[in-house]
Amino acid sequence: DVKVTQSSRYLVKRTGEKVFLECVQDMDHENMFWYRQDPGLGLRLIYFSYDVKMKEKGDIPEGYSVSREKKERFSLILESASTNQTSMYLCASSSLWGIAPLHFGNGTRLTVT
Amino acid sequence: AQSVTQLDSQVPVFEEAPVELRCNYSSSVSVYLFWYVQYPNQGLQLLLKYLSGSTLVESINGFEAEFNKSQTSFHLRKPSVHISDTAEYFCAVSFASGTYKYIFGTGTRLKVLA
Repeated sequence: DVKVTQSSRYLVKRTGEKVFLECVQDMDHENMFWYRQDPGLGLRLIYFSYDVKMKEKGDIPEGYSVSREKKERFSLILESASTNQTSMYLCASSSLWGIAPLHFGNGTRLTVT
Repeated sequence: AQSVTQLDSQVPVFEEAPVELRCNYSSSVSVYLFWYVQYPNQGLQLLLKYLSGSTLVESINGFEAEFNKSQTSFHLRKPSVHISDTAEYFCAVSFASGTYKYIFGTGTRLKVLA
């Protein structure tokens, strides 16, 4: 069974801090994704990666960056955290782009104060 | 523009009653369709998917969904719900439009009442 692990379930950070959210998958999937989930807005794509060192912007990339140095690991970086980035962050992976379902981690609930 | 709409943000239903959660999409290209379920404090789990073939797909826990191309819908149904079905349900679509992209609806919170 595919396992996607997000390193933190809850994080509290201060405005202006640099924040790293880590995600690891164990099924050798090429594709990895970062979403944020907000009530009433569903899931919105921040960034995705279809190979090591390859990344593409999603729908709401502003204020975020990503890193994928190894196939199994995909990191989301908030360069300077702001209160409007308080949210649930979900990492996901998939094998075949668009056809295969996404496998999600349990999420990281980030609060920026 | 490509989009996914879940019209109902919340659906309360009594235990053992039937339920339908609606999902409509907008697309001019081929689609793949998914339903995910999210239990409290967890990530999303795949419930069922439509890729091709039979338009009626079923999950192992009694849910089913029917792909209706003419109505661009993929509604989720269960004939008899249990308390344990209380969760948030997300419809998702991927579009064969250059780069595949997964688009999610805003979710429907199903609350099963005793």
